Amino acid sequence: GNSVTQMEGPVTLSEEAFLTINCTYTATGYPSLFWYVQYPGEGLQLLLKATKADDKGSNKGFEATYRKETTSFHLEKGSVQVSDSAVYFCALSDRGDSWGKLQFGAGTQVVVTP
Amino acid sequence: DTAVSQTPKYLVTQMGNDKSIKCEQNLGHDTMYWYKQDSKKFLKIMFSYNNKELIINETVPNRFSPKSPDKAHLNLHINSLELGDSAVYFCASSQGTGNQPQHFGDGTRLSIL
Repeated sequence: GNSVTQMEGPVTLSEEAFLTINCTYTATGYPSLFWYVQYPGEGLQLLLKATKADDKGSNKGFEATYRKETTSFHLEKGSVQVSDSAVYFCALSDRGDSWGKLQFGAGTQVVVTP
Repeated sequence: DTAVSQTPKYLVTQMGNDKSIKCEQNLGHDTMYWYKQDSKKFLKIMFSYNNKELIINETVPNRFSPKSPDKAHLNLHINSLELGDSAVYFCASSQGTGNQPQHFGDGTRLSIL
């Protein structure tokens, strides 16, 4: 079956530090990959996505590249702000499962201190 | 102008009761979902409807019954609530399926006493 594994949190870092959250996946088909972000007390919001190998998704200074050879989709940001404090979820949707079921990782809490 | 709205935001009730959570989306999407998020933030899909038809039904106790009266609404009814049902329930919607982004509501926090 499909699965997503992401690094455990919490990840605590100072403002302007470099952030990396690792995400690896297993899939039986040809998945699309996503990063969602959940701010405190809110629902999830799509941060970025990539639909095929070597695609790079980017948004709000965050980037992730779909690496088929390492089955990874690591999230990076060069300089974090306090407002980036949130829980980040890596997810996949397997095109073999045509109805768009999102398989989520366990989430990684990020805490950015001033 | 809320895109996906759920009511109520908080629900506190006793074990054994029956309760419903409502969800409405004004995005014109044709697919809606219910997810359960446990206390460790783990998210799992429960159900999905496309054009009012059930298309995803994960391993969920049959005490949970979704109903989609039209494409813009997907309600969740839960019978005989148990302690383990305590969680945050999220509704989401998308236009089509596959790799289309899903838009989430703010969640309903259900607490069973």
